[in-house]
Amino acid sequence: EVQLVESGGGLVQPGRSLRLSCAASGFTFDDYAMHWVRQAPGKGLEWVSGISWNSGSIGYADSVKGRFTISRDNAKNSLYLQMNSLRAEDTALYYCAKDISLDIVAPRGAFDIWGQGTMVTVSS
Amino acid sequence: EIVLTQSPATLSLSPGERATLSCRASQSVSSYLAWYQQKPGQAPRLLIYDASNRATGIPARFSGSGSGTDFTLTISSLEPEDFAVYYCQQRSNWPPLYTFGQGTKLEIK
Repeated sequence: EVQLVESGGGLVQPGRSLRLSCAASGFTFDDYAMHWVRQAPGKGLEWVSGISWNSGSIGYADSVKGRFTISRDNAKNSLYLQMNSLRAEDTALYYCAKDISLDIVAPRGAFDIWGQGTMVTVSS
Repeated sequence: EIVLTQSPATLSLSPGERATLSCRASQSVSSYLAWYQQKPGQAPRLLIYDASNRATGIPARFSGSGSGTDFTLTISSLEPEDFAVYYCQQRSNWPPLYTFGQGTKLEIK
């Protein structure tokens, strides 16, 4: 079964850090780009960051650039998001998502497999 | 940055009716546009990629069309399970940025 399982969310104070993880199974992880997408309570979807199959290309939304770092470990079939200097506006459900392409600079970019998400709440 | 604008914000229809959802891009995205369905408490599900290709397992009543700046998702005959929020999404070439529309809520009339 193709599956993505996120972990690492929780309640954190503003200015602190948190590291999210995503465990992939059921497909050849290093054949695809991977992403983090978030959704604030009651709001729409916002792409956060993406990484190509070999970590050669990485992209960030302007709202997180300089604070968040995406990485992957293909040997462990895992995706990560290191979140530093967290703000109240980072409060959201964070989804891990698989791309249909291997590179984030490929012509096409769509997310065909999603995890169930891990909730991050930034509050004092 | 490319902005995607979806219309209408809310669409009220009855089962069996045809639904037409629109997504307009602020500049051309060629044919690289995707559509997603999201139900309450669930992760989004990919319906359409590259503007008109149905994803695996998606029923034939869902179809996508368009290119450039104007795109449409059509549901030919609504089933009760189709009432949900729908998002369009595109990717900019460089720097790689992925953008979602604000969503269209399809509700039962």
